[in-house]
This record gives sequence, C-alpha cells and structure tokens, in this order.
Amino acid sequence: AQSVTQLDSQVPVFEEAPVELRCNYSSSVSVYLFWYVQYPNQGLQLLLKYLSGSTLVKGINGFEAEFNKSQTSFHLRKPSVHISDTAEYFCAVNSYNNNDMRFGAGTRLTVKP
Amino acid sequence: DGGITQSPKYLFRKEGQNVTLSCEQNLNHDAMYWYRQDPGQGLRLIYYSQIVNDFQKGDIAEGYSVSREKKESFPLTVTSAQKNPTAFYLCASSIVPGQGFTGELFFGEGSRLTVL
Repeated sequence: AQSVTQLDSQVPVFEEAPVELRCNYSSSVSVYLFWYVQYPNQGLQLLLKYLSGSTLVKGINGFEAEFNKSQTSFHLRKPSVHISDTAEYFCAVNSYNNNDMRFGAGTRLTVKP
Repeated sequence: DGGITQSPKYLFRKEGQNVTLSCEQNLNHDAMYWYRQDPGQGLRLIYYSQIVNDFQKGDIAEGYSVSREKKESFPLTVTSAQKNPTAFYLCASSIVPGQGFTGELFFGEGSRLTVL
C-alpha cells in the first residue's frame, strides 16, 4: 500500500509572499498524485493532479506542483499568495490499478496581511 | 450539475441515538466512500463500496454501518456504539480501475455531527 507524508502541519505566510507545501509519498507501484484544498466546513476540492507526462503540473488558483520520482515528492507551490488562499491542503496518492486513495494529514496554510 | 449531495449539513444528536447521514451522487460513479475528519488527523476511511450491494470496512468502521442498495446512494449510520461520534463526515465517489480511471475522488460538502 502507498502512504503520504506532509512535512508541515502549519505554514504561516504573509500576503504576496511565495509558498511551498511539502509532500512525500511511498509506494511500490506506479501512482497518481493529487493536491486538494479544503475551506472551513466544506468538502475537498481538487487543486491539481499528476497522471503522467510533464512533471510540472499547473492547477487552479495559480498553484502548481512538481513531481520528482527520484525523491518521491510532489511539492505544491504558489509564487504569490492571497488572503483567500487560507485553507487546509491535502496531498493524496492513488495507485494505477488498485483504487486505494491515501491522504496526508494536511497542511494548514494561513496567509496574513 | 453533476455532483455529490450530502445531507444534513449540520446535525445534533443526543448520546445513545443512532443517526443516518445521506449521500447521493449523479456522476454515475461505481465507487463511493465515507471519511471521518477530526482536527489535525486528516481523513480516515470508514467504509467504501466499489459496486452496488457490496461494501468493505475501512480503517475505522467500528460503530458505523452502511448500505449500498442503489448506485446513486450510500447512506452512513452512526450508531450508539460509536464512542466519539462528534466529527465532520465526508462522502466521496469515483470511477473504478479500467478505461478512463485517473484515481481522482470527488467529494460532497460534508456533514458536521455534534453529539450533545
């Protein structure tokens, strides 16, 4: 089975600063990788996903992530954050042939004015 | 619009009462899931179903029950046997491995259960 580790439980950052949310995964098989965002009292919304091909993936709201197979990482980045980006972010991994999605514990991003 | 509908959004329950959370999807997905979310603990899988009339326990099934009589519906019952039921519950759906499978889960808006 695969697993996901989000290296930071909380990330405070000032508005308009860049941010990186770190995610490492472990799997013995080929996987799909995801980042979801969750606003308070809401469900999870897909930010972006890596299926195959280019290792740099662009998502909604100006976020992007880079798949690094050798380091088994899938870090999420945004060059300039807004107050509205304050939310919980989840990294997730699912295997190609066995529908077994695994989530990280989440990173709470707080953007301060 | 296609999506997943969870109801109710907020629910209060007295100790010792069973309560059922509804989850309906019109995405024509075969697989459906229930997750529990507590602060700082991410998402924990309660039950999942890959096909109608079949379901499997997830990591924390004790004190919960489900049914899957229709493809569109996957209700979750929180029984009185669940020792600490106050939490945020999320329902999700997906297609199953095969043509077009991308591994993505689609989520509802969640139901917040509070036991008084």
